[in-house]
Parts: sequence; structure tokens; C-alpha cells
Amino acid sequence: GENVEQHPSTLSVQEGDSAVIKCTYSDSASNYFPWYKQELGKRPQLIIDIRSNVGEKKDQRIAVTLNKTAKHFSLHITETQPEDSAVYFCAARAFMNYGGSQGNLIFGKGTKLSVKP
Amino acid sequence: EAQVTQNPRYLITVTGKKLTVTCSQNMNHEYMSWYRQDPGLGLRQIYYSMNVEVTDKGDVPEGYKVSRKEKRNFPLILESPSPNQTSLYFCASSFDGRDSPLHFGNGTRLTVT
Repeated sequence: GENVEQHPSTLSVQEGDSAVIKCTYSDSASNYFPWYKQELGKRPQLIIDIRSNVGEKKDQRIAVTLNKTAKHFSLHITETQPEDSAVYFCAARAFMNYGGSQGNLIFGKGTKLSVKP
Repeated sequence: EAQVTQNPRYLITVTGKKLTVTCSQNMNHEYMSWYRQDPGLGLRQIYYSMNVEVTDKGDVPEGYKVSRKEKRNFPLILESPSPNQTSLYFCASSFDGRDSPLHFGNGTRLTVT
């Protein structure tokens, strides 16, 4: 089955700096890669996702890159702000558009990002 | 408002006393799932359901039961809770369980003494 490794487990940056979180996956059939942000005491919420037919996706200060050959994907946050402080989870899933068995969405163990003012 | 509603938010119980955590979504989603979150272990899937009357095991199903008799509801049942089931539990739903976003409930913090 799928296995997702996430690094680092903790990351501390100064406000305004960039932050990068990396994930690797094991199942070459995985084709959907979402990222979730969980603020302290709250539920995880989707911030960005990417599908395997795309190499990069941006949404304002966040971007995700995917390298299918190396089976890794990364979250990039630029111009970090204190409100970016949270735990970030990557995930991977293999899905099929036309029936068949669907892979589970497997999460990494999370990265606690701290942005210092 | 579109949402996933879990109840209760907090629950303290004793070993062996059966309990149910309810989950309901109002978005007509086909896919629903339960996760537990433990420090250092991330989110681990317990059970999931692709549609009504269709359920399947996730990565950590031991000690849990689920049912999906209606599209909107997906209760999590602990027949005989044990202290190692002390955890933060999240219910989640998505449109089709493929590449649509997962919407999480607010979580249920369970303590088993």
C-alpha cells in the first residue's frame, strides 16, 4: 500500500522568509496530492492540491510542485506571516476516473511550522 | 452552511463502556471517512465509505465499527473502548472520494480511562 513520508517534522522561520515542506510517496499509481493546514485546536483544511498531470500549481503565496519520476512533492510558502503558523499535512491517493478500486488517501505525519515575527 | 458535524466534541468514558460518535454531512457527499489523530503519527484512517451500505477498513480498523445506512450519516462505534483508543477523532466527507477535497468535522476528543 501507499506510504507517505514528510519532512521536516518541525520548521521554524522568520516572518517574510520562505518555507518548504517535502513529501515522498511509494505508490507510483498515486495521482492526487492534497495539502492540508491545521491550526491549533482546529480541523484540517485543504489549502492546495495537485494532480499527476500537472507539475506545479500556485495560489497566491503557496505553491506545490510534483516530481512523478522521483515520487516526491513539495509545498512552498513565500513571504511567510505569523498566521501561517500551523501543522501542515501532505497526502497521496491513487484514484480511477471510471470505477475500480480507489486507493485510500494516505497522510504524512505532519510538519509543525512556526513563523516568528 | 455546508458542513460536517460531529458529536460530541469531548467525551470521557471508562474501559468497556460502548460509545458512539455521530457524524453527519449536509453536502450530499458520497464519500465519508473516519480518522484518528495522535501526536507524531498524523492522521490515520479507521474506516471509510464510498456510498450507502458500502464500508471498508482503513489502516487502523481494530476496535471500531461503522455503518452507512443513510448518505448523510456515518457513525463510529466503539463496542468496548480501551485506553489505547484515547485520541482525537475526525470525520470527513468528500463528493466522490477521488480527487475532490475532504471536508473535516470539528473533531471529537475521546479519553478512555
